[in-house]
Amino acid sequence: DSGVTQTPKHLITATGQRVTLRCSPRSGDLSVYWYQQSLDQGLQFLIQYYNGEERAKGNILERFSAQQFPDLHSELNLSSLELGDSALYFCASSVDYRVGKLFFGSGTQLSVL
Amino acid sequence: SQQGEEDPQALSIQEGENATMNCSYKTSINNLQWYRQNSGRGLVHLILIRSNEREKHSGRLRVTLDTSKKSSSLLITASRAADTASYFCARSLSGTYKYIFGTGTRLKVLA
Repeated sequence: DSGVTQTPKHLITATGQRVTLRCSPRSGDLSVYWYQQSLDQGLQFLIQYYNGEERAKGNILERFSAQQFPDLHSELNLSSLELGDSALYFCASSVDYRVGKLFFGSGTQLSVL
Repeated sequence: SQQGEEDPQALSIQEGENATMNCSYKTSINNLQWYRQNSGRGLVHLILIRSNEREKHSGRLRVTLDTSKKSSSLLITASRAADTASYFCARSLSGTYKYIFGTGTRLKVLA
């Protein structure tokens, strides 16, 4: 158990809908990262937060948004969903973005039908 | 592409053999890390090597880093069936501290 909690584990929804994925980092970790993994693909970096502030952005679509709250949990919002958004979404956390060693949650499997 | 390049994409070996995976990158890094992923589960950190280091060991794992060639390799010695997994390299980009993952190497160790 990495200590990073992601909910829900599975999500099935329809095109055009909006969903929210939630991540609770390990106790004491200030940095949160979101990644998207499509079938048989590598991990695409979406966005990174540190202590509530956005630190770095990857190829995150405009339909996607995220935030990190004062209690350090994070949410990834995906809207106007398309079939191609079906993927495994991972959250990871680390003590500090400069330290490295990311701890990953078990992911949210999103299926858009 | 923001991703690193790893090769081979897939590797199949017999138990007891060594497995070598390579990772190349294009921009300056703070460090490079290797992770393992079992069957679509979350990734697990294996080893981190800093940009000023050339080699690191952890149990049966040996990682090398050649910053002049912008490449790293992961060697798993005396492989076991339990080592069957996907292995990813992740680069911490200088300046931004973005952690960019490669496409991974799928390792299959046959008993």
